[in-house]
Amino acid sequence: DTEVTQTPKHLVMGMTNKKSLKCEQHMGHRAMYWYKQKAKKPPELMFVYSYEKLSINESVPSRFSPECPNSSLLNLHLHALQPEDSALYLCASTPLAGANNEQFFGPGTRLTVL
Amino acid sequence: GENVEQHPSTLSVQEGDSAVIKCTYSDSASNYFPWYKQELGKGPQLIIDIRSNVGEKKDQRIAVTLNKTAKHFSLHITETQPEDSAVYFCAASSPNPYGGSQGNLIFGKGTKLSVKP
Repeated sequence: DTEVTQTPKHLVMGMTNKKSLKCEQHMGHRAMYWYKQKAKKPPELMFVYSYEKLSINESVPSRFSPECPNSSLLNLHLHALQPEDSALYLCASTPLAGANNEQFFGPGTRLTVL
Repeated sequence: GENVEQHPSTLSVQEGDSAVIKCTYSDSASNYFPWYKQELGKGPQLIIDIRSNVGEKKDQRIAVTLNKTAKHFSLHITETQPEDSAVYFCAASSPNPYGGSQGNLIFGKGTKLSVKP
């Protein structure tokens, strides 16, 4: 299995809702990432998990809460989002081996906050 | 920290022509330079990458060159086809400043390539 999967593909939520995004990989990678991508912009790093521990939080608002239950699974819990949080949320993974930093991206979840 | 500049922002070519996208980076410690292709509604797909100990790498119609002295790298696509139309992102991976092997990717702003049939 050489891919990163993300569910759901699309999500529409109100500002008072609580929802979660899910990411899964079975490549044995030990680092997983969440990125946010606005239209016509590059991906922006949000969080990095390394060996299931949060290693980087790029000053992301607390309404985004990441969770890494095991080495294959990464969640992003959403609560009280704002319309400006509407974007494509991408998950990626990479093996932690020397300078081998190939990041493999999932297809993303298109989030719309009403 | 690392900064990556990418040019041009849009590029239109005729089918069969070559396309070249250029990136510059600022951190001389950067050691890994991937290129991603992103089609509409999809996640970025790694198409080719190069490491700092190599000057050029080729994979069929795609090639990447790296000039460490000038701190720039380029993507070359030959014999372009309409299915090459997408947004292309370059990136540079800086080593972890706190040690260890994990670095993070710094992306350029992207190039929208259009290949006209």
